[in-house]
Amino acid sequence: DTGVSQNPRHKITKRGQNVTFRCDPISEHNRLYWYRQTLGQGPEFLTYFQNEAQLEKSRLLSDRFSAERPKGSFSTLEIQRTEQGDSAMYLCASTQSWDSPLHFGNGTRLTVT
Amino acid sequence: DAKTTQPNSMESNEEEPVHLPCNHSTISGTDYIHWYRQLPSQGPEYVIHGLTSNVNNRMASLAIAEDRKSSTLILHRATLRDAAVYYCTPPGGNQFYFGTGTSLTVIP
Repeated sequence: DTGVSQNPRHKITKRGQNVTFRCDPISEHNRLYWYRQTLGQGPEFLTYFQNEAQLEKSRLLSDRFSAERPKGSFSTLEIQRTEQGDSAMYLCASTQSWDSPLHFGNGTRLTVT
Repeated sequence: DAKTTQPNSMESNEEEPVHLPCNHSTISGTDYIHWYRQLPSQGPEYVIHGLTSNVNNRMASLAIAEDRKSSTLILHRATLRDAAVYYCTPPGGNQFYFGTGTSLTVIP
């Protein structure tokens, strides 16, 4: 169990640019989640995958956000035309089943200037 | 959506027990109650979870009310390393809901 890995740890980008984050879950976990967290707030749900299928998306996930999980392994989260309001910590978590705990990565901190 | 209510902050003296409450009145009958904690610049870390019965592990104990509308996380002897933000998170379907949590300060 090597844990959930997220890359990069930090990303600074200019407004209007596209960014992509990667999450490598624990290998036997078929459920994968993306969350966004801003200062002083708890993590907010963005989207959920079971294997390669994206089963739920939050209303927070605008059209500029897209997530994929090809082959049910790693996942990517892309933000197009970034805005300053996208600055946040983006967290990935995985779990084996609906009644098991979530395992989180240490997140990617995005700063949009 | 499942929602939770937790105190914004609590303080405890080192080596004293701490009881962190959570109200989750909208929880469904099959949802486990999860607790996580988060240190600055880290992702949340699993602490404990349970369905109906009280649960114990090496980190903490979880006391669940009979009607399941509330629960209490118990740290038996707080240490400085326990200073963190604690979240109770009923799954609410496939969306684990994290509120603003309780920021625990441990006083040496």
